[in-house]
Amino acid sequence: AQSVTQPDIHITVSEGASLELRCNYSYGATPYLFWYVQSPGQGLQLLLKYFSGDTLVQGIKGFEAEFKRSQSSFNLRKPSVHWSDAAEYFCGVEMNTGFQKLVFGTGTRLLVSP
Amino acid sequence: GAVVSQHPSWVICKSGTSVKIECRSLDFQATTMFWYRQFPKQSLMLMATSNEGSKATYEQGVEKDKFLINHASLTLSTLTVTSAHPEDSSFYICSALRQGAGYTFGSGTRLTVV
Repeated sequence: AQSVTQPDIHITVSEGASLELRCNYSYGATPYLFWYVQSPGQGLQLLLKYFSGDTLVQGIKGFEAEFKRSQSSFNLRKPSVHWSDAAEYFCGVEMNTGFQKLVFGTGTRLLVSP
Repeated sequence: GAVVSQHPSWVICKSGTSVKIECRSLDFQATTMFWYRQFPKQSLMLMATSNEGSKATYEQGVEKDKFLINHASLTLSTLTVTSAHPEDSSFYICSALRQGAGYTFGSGTRLTVV
């Protein structure tokens, strides 16, 4: 079955510490992969995307993600977290079931402690 | 960049009435738009894919007669929640696909049915 999994519902990180948010997917072909961030009551902002090529992609706000085909993963990282990074993060996988659609994982809520 | 406008940002309606939510791509043409529903502190559930000039494709478990989707032009898709009930209260988000650029999301609509 096609699915997207974000194993961590909540993560708390100290300000200035590094961050890694996990994302695994199950899909028969090589997918297009996305990470979005959502602030409370807001829409989604694209952080970065992977279509092809270099498996380490750079995004906005200092985020990066690495596509690992062997692990079916696309983990999001940031070397030093800022308090303003506290938000909900969603991993998205574009699937094609006759037409394109973007399916999300369950999301990870990031809390940043002082 | 690509901008998607969603209106209204919030709406309160009485049980049994219908509510229409609009999603517009402001600076690009979107042949495909998507509607998501998000329950509090939960992920975004894809409801349907809206294709310009054709019927929407609904995800399994989504009531077609309850959630009417119209994509009459390349820049406008509407979601009408018919005969709304309190359990339809949720956060609805639209998205537009721009070929080669990915998905752009609206800022969402908070629907409260009383």
